[in-house]
Formats: sequence, C-alpha cells, structure tokens
Amino acid sequence: GENVEQHPSTLSVQEGDSAVIKCTYSDSASNYFPWYKQELGKRPQLIIDIRSNVGEKKDQRIAVTLNKTAKHFSLHITETQPEDSAVYFCAATSTSGTYKYIFGTGTRLKVLA
Amino acid sequence: DTGVSQNPRHKITKRGQNVTFRCDPISEHNRLYWYRQTLGQGPEFLTYFQNEAQLEKSRLLSDRFSAERPKGSFSTLEIQRTEQGDSAMYLCASSLGGYTGELFFGEGSRLTVL
Repeated sequence: GENVEQHPSTLSVQEGDSAVIKCTYSDSASNYFPWYKQELGKRPQLIIDIRSNVGEKKDQRIAVTLNKTAKHFSLHITETQPEDSAVYFCAATSTSGTYKYIFGTGTRLKVLA
Repeated sequence: DTGVSQNPRHKITKRGQNVTFRCDPISEHNRLYWYRQTLGQGPEFLTYFQNEAQLEKSRLLSDRFSAERPKGSFSTLEIQRTEQGDSAMYLCASSLGGYTGELFFGEGSRLTVL
C-alpha cells in the first residue's frame, strides 16, 4: 500500500543554521507533495507544496525539492528562527486518483536560541 | 471564523460506549477527510468524501467506525463500542475540488477512552 517515510524524527539546530527534512514515498502515481507545520496544540497548516512537474520551489526561507526518479522530496529551512520550532509533516497524494493524502510520521524541529 | 470546525473538542468516555464527532468544513469545499493522530505520529488516513459520496475508507478501520456526510455538508464520525486503543486526536480536513491540493484542518476532537 501507499507509504511515506520521513526522517529524521527529531532535529535540533542552532538559530540561524539550516534544517533539512527528507521524505520518501512509495506510490509512483503521487504527483502532489505538501508540507504541513503543526505547532504545539494547534492544527496542521500548509507551509509549502510542490507538484511533480517541477523539481524545486522556494518561498522566502523555505524550499522544497523533488526527485521523482528516486521518489523522495525534501524540505529546506534556511536561517532558522525560534518560531520555526514545531512538528513538520510531509505528505503525498495523487490529484488524478483518489486524492488520499498519506502523511509521514513527522519531524520535531527545535531551534535553539 | 470560516475555517473548519469540529466538536466536541474533547470527549472522555468509558470503554464500550459509542461516541460521535462532528465536522463542519469550509462551506465551498466539496472534499472532506477524517484523520486520526496519536502522540508523536503523523495524521493517519481514515476516510474521505467527495460531496456526499464516501470514496475511500482505510483498510485499517474496523467496522466499529462509520462516517457520513449527508447532503455533502457537515460530516459525522461515529465510533461504536470504544476501546482504549481508540484514544487519539480525530482531525477533520476539507479541500476544494479539482486540482487544488491544500487541506484545511480543524482543531481536532480529542478522544480519551477510560
């Protein structure tokens, strides 16, 4: 069945450093890959997404890269700030199929001031 | 607030009891999803609707779980004969149809089964 693996499960970085979170998906029909940020006690919120027709997308300090051949995609956060501390989830789905979003297990990012 | 709303926010029940959660999606969204999230894990897919049609249900979901979306508006998730393993946060999310991908999540309904 469909599966999304996410690594690492926890990540601590110094403020100002970069953070990278990696995900691998199994369903080759997947063509949409969103990233969600969930702060403690709050709902997950979309921070960036990428579709399979592009290899990279950037939005200020965050970027996502996609390697369709290897079936993996990554979230890059540069110049990290304390407010970036949260749990980040990757997900994969097919927008031409069932639209079922499969989420990774999450990465708890701690930005140390 | 025009976001996704869920209620109750918290539910404590005894094992064996039935519970029902309600989700009101964003009004123009025709897709509605239910996910379950336990501590330290990502949202686990339960089921989803396009309008009133339930298009997919997780194979992991036992027959004790049922969801409905009458008239394609709000949705209910019922868990019958609750077990301690059902304790989790139940998240509802909605999205527009077509190519738009973003899921908008509610704040969740936390279930504790004693």
